[in-house]
Amino acid sequence: GENVEQHPSTLSVQEGDSAVIKCTYSDSASNYFPWYKQELGKRPQLIIDIRSNVGEKKDQRIAVTLNKTAKHFSLHITETQPEDSAVYFCAASMVEAGKSTFGDGTTLTVKP
Amino acid sequence: DAGITQSPRHKVTETGTPVTLRCHQTENHRYMYWYRQDPGHGLRLIHYSYGVKDTDKGEVSDGYSVSRSKTEDFLLTLESATSSQTSVYFCAISVANTGELFFGEGSRLTVL
Repeated sequence: GENVEQHPSTLSVQEGDSAVIKCTYSDSASNYFPWYKQELGKRPQLIIDIRSNVGEKKDQRIAVTLNKTAKHFSLHITETQPEDSAVYFCAASMVEAGKSTFGDGTTLTVKP
Repeated sequence: DAGITQSPRHKVTETGTPVTLRCHQTENHRYMYWYRQDPGHGLRLIHYSYGVKDTDKGEVSDGYSVSRSKTEDFLLTLESATSSQTSVYFCAISVANTGELFFGEGSRLTVL
């Protein structure tokens, strides 16, 4: 089955700095790579995703890049703000199969 | 919230007792999932369902069973709860052919 590794497990940045979280996956058949944000005590929610036919996607301060050859993808957050503090999860799946495998999560702390 | 509700939201039980968690959705989604979340382990898939009476095991299914007799309800049962099953359980649905997961609010289970 699919295996997803996520690094780092914790990340602390100063407000205004950039944050980068990286994930690798094992199954070359995976074609959908979402990122979820989970605030303390709340449910995970999708913040951005990318499909295998695209190399990069941006949405305001967040972006995701995908390297299918190397089987890794990354989340980039620019101009970080205290409200970006949360746990971020990457995942990989085959849309057709309907199952997602998650990384172990990254706790991001943005210091004011 | 994609019309997903979980019950109970909190439960404390004793080792060896049976426990059933309920996930209810109001939007007729075909795909439903049960994940557990533990510190350092991200979200791990327990069981999933592709439709009424159509279920399959995920990566951590031992000690759990599921049933889906109606489209709107997906039940997770712990036949004999153990302390290792203390966790937060999330139900999720996915919209067909998109891959995106929508999570319920979670059910915190403590097994003493």
